[in-house]
Amino acid sequence: NAGVTQTPKFQVLKTGQSMTLQCAQDMNHEYMSWYRQDPGMGLRLIHYSVGAGITDQGEVPNGYNVSRSTTEDFPLRLLSAAPSQTSVYFCASSYLRDRERPQYFGPGTRLTVT
Amino acid sequence: QQQVKQSPQSLIVQKGGISIINCAYENTAFDYFPWYQQFPGKGPALLIAIRPDVSEKKEGRFTISFNKSAKQFSLHIMDSQPGDSATYFCAASGGGSNYKLTFGKGTLLTVNP
Repeated sequence: NAGVTQTPKFQVLKTGQSMTLQCAQDMNHEYMSWYRQDPGMGLRLIHYSVGAGITDQGEVPNGYNVSRSTTEDFPLRLLSAAPSQTSVYFCASSYLRDRERPQYFGPGTRLTVT
Repeated sequence: QQQVKQSPQSLIVQKGGISIINCAYENTAFDYFPWYQQFPGKGPALLIAIRPDVSEKKEGRFTISFNKSAKQFSLHIMDSQPGDSATYFCAASGGGSNYKLTFGKGTLLTVNP
């Protein structure tokens, strides 16, 4: 199993540009989520999904869109990048009904918006 | 509103010492309390977790202590090693959205040789 994969690893955008961060998992997990990590702020939930066709907002959803057309993929779209979106982005997945509910994180995408 | 408060923000320990990181939560519906470990340039990974029906869980040198009445839990790393140097996050989940994790802000642990 490859686990949770994310592409790209690094990205530099200019203000106003759009892009999609890719996330895929091969563990047949129902739950997938996106976090951003900023110094001193911990991990903040952006959007999440409990299955194909179902998405919902997390703590910091503004400026981001998601969709879940398959169980495996959960892309994160930045519609018009802003310097405030400079961050490290992590995708994570887990089973919904696992009693211990461990979330598996991808390696992250480091995004810089200039 | 920060639902999981973590302290300290950073911690320096000598090799062989005990590292202690504390977390406090507000939502009494939380029923799952994991700790995640993150090395530089990597994603977080589950280290150890506890449910509120036990007061302590130990896995090797890592122990979670849980105080339900105080709504607090802590991570103890015994015989700390330089390889333990990482950022540690406490988290909590439960209630209606029991798959959503709420994270603390993290503790950067440095273990000096």
